[in-house]
Amino acid sequence: KAGVTQTPRYLIKTRGQQVTLSCSPISGHRSVSWYQQTPGQGLQFLFEYFSETQRNKGNFPGRFSGRQFSNSRSEMNVSTLELGDSALYLCASSFGGDHGELFFGEGSRLTVL
Amino acid sequence: GQSLEQPSEVTAVEGAIVQINCTYQTSGFYGLSWYQQHDGGAPTFLSYNALDGLEETGRFSSFLSRSDSYGYLLLQELQMKDSASYFCAVSHNTDKLIFGTGTRLQVFP
Repeated sequence: KAGVTQTPRYLIKTRGQQVTLSCSPISGHRSVSWYQQTPGQGLQFLFEYFSETQRNKGNFPGRFSGRQFSNSRSEMNVSTLELGDSALYLCASSFGGDHGELFFGEGSRLTVL
Repeated sequence: GQSLEQPSEVTAVEGAIVQINCTYQTSGFYGLSWYQQHDGGAPTFLSYNALDGLEETGRFSSFLSRSDSYGYLLLQELQMKDSASYFCAVSHNTDKLIFGTGTRLQVFP
């Protein structure tokens, strides 16, 4: 079956712009979570959605937001981009409550100039 | 706060055994997971310990001791393709994972 699909894979933005990233989970998975990966901070949890409801949110400013649609697809949005937002944004899906076994997409690499 | 510490880098030769440690300061978690990530790739799930003790999956084994706040990933019969970054992570009551600092494993011929 198809894996987790993230689009776009690469994008370049300038400071102050906003960006929307998309994630299509594995068919049947209802939980989608987002992570930011940078060389300095490692993998950090952004937020998690289950059945269109945000269940958890990480310690990121309000510029970072997300949502999940009825088909479990998810989007995350970053507004007023800053240089420090340059990172690999990873989406992961699961059936929900699997306590550790997540299936990750290849990520969207965002560069902010 | 919660933190999981790992050695930054480990090197070994093909065929050898290597252990990657993970020490943590967190509580109330469901279990400890391990993920592998090759350069430019997605993290892929390796193992999960819900209970104390050893879990074996082929060449990989993982161990958890909640009393010692410690876990490790053991890789046997190392192959060149095992060169990658390895992350431990704790999970709570949802799919929120707190990841460790990551260990870069380099396998030499």
